[in-house]
Amino acid sequence: AQSVTQLDSQVPVFEEAPVELRCNYSSSVSVYLFWYVQYPNQGLQLLLKYLSGSTLVKGINGFEAEFNKSQTSFHLRKPSVHISDTAEYFCAVSARSGGYNKLIFGAGTRLAVHP
Amino acid sequence: ETGVTQTPRHLVMGMTNKKSLKCEQHLGHNAMYWYKQSAKKPLELMFVYNFKEQTENNSVPSRFSPECPNSSHLFLHLHTLQPEDSALYLCASSQDAGRGAGNTIYFGEGSWLTVV
Repeated sequence: AQSVTQLDSQVPVFEEAPVELRCNYSSSVSVYLFWYVQYPNQGLQLLLKYLSGSTLVKGINGFEAEFNKSQTSFHLRKPSVHISDTAEYFCAVSARSGGYNKLIFGAGTRLAVHP
Repeated sequence: ETGVTQTPRHLVMGMTNKKSLKCEQHLGHNAMYWYKQSAKKPLELMFVYNFKEQTENNSVPSRFSPECPNSSHLFLHLHTLQPEDSALYLCASSQDAGRGAGNTIYFGEGSWLTVV
């Protein structure tokens, strides 16, 4: 069965510093991976997704993620963060059961950007 | 207008009340979902509907009753809830839950439920 582990529950960082949010997945089949962001008092918004092809995926707001099959990882990175990036970030893997697809989410990483 | 709209945004109800959460999607999708988001817990998938048919009930207690009258609307009927049911309930939609495992799931802003 597919599962997702986000290794850090909270990541504090100073403005304009680089950041990496870590995600490891478990899957025995072809994998589709996603990163979502949740700003305070809002729903989830897709940042980026990996389906196939290039292992480096670029998303919105300057974020990118790298799919590493040998390490079963899909870490999210941004070279320089802003205060407005403060949010909860969720890694997810697409799973299939009973003939239908669904997303399995990690527990989330709270990114706190400080001035 | 956002793609997935949820009402009400905030709801406070007593344990003996009956209330409903409503979700509407304007994206032309055929799959709709209910997720529960509690503090310090991963997002929990509750129900999935594909072309109005329920395809997933993730062992959700019967005090939560979903209804999907058409592909654009999804309801969550609430009855005799417990305080531990207080959470953010997120509705989402995607093109087709039966195909396209890489399809993006689009979320609404959620309904904050407090059970007193």
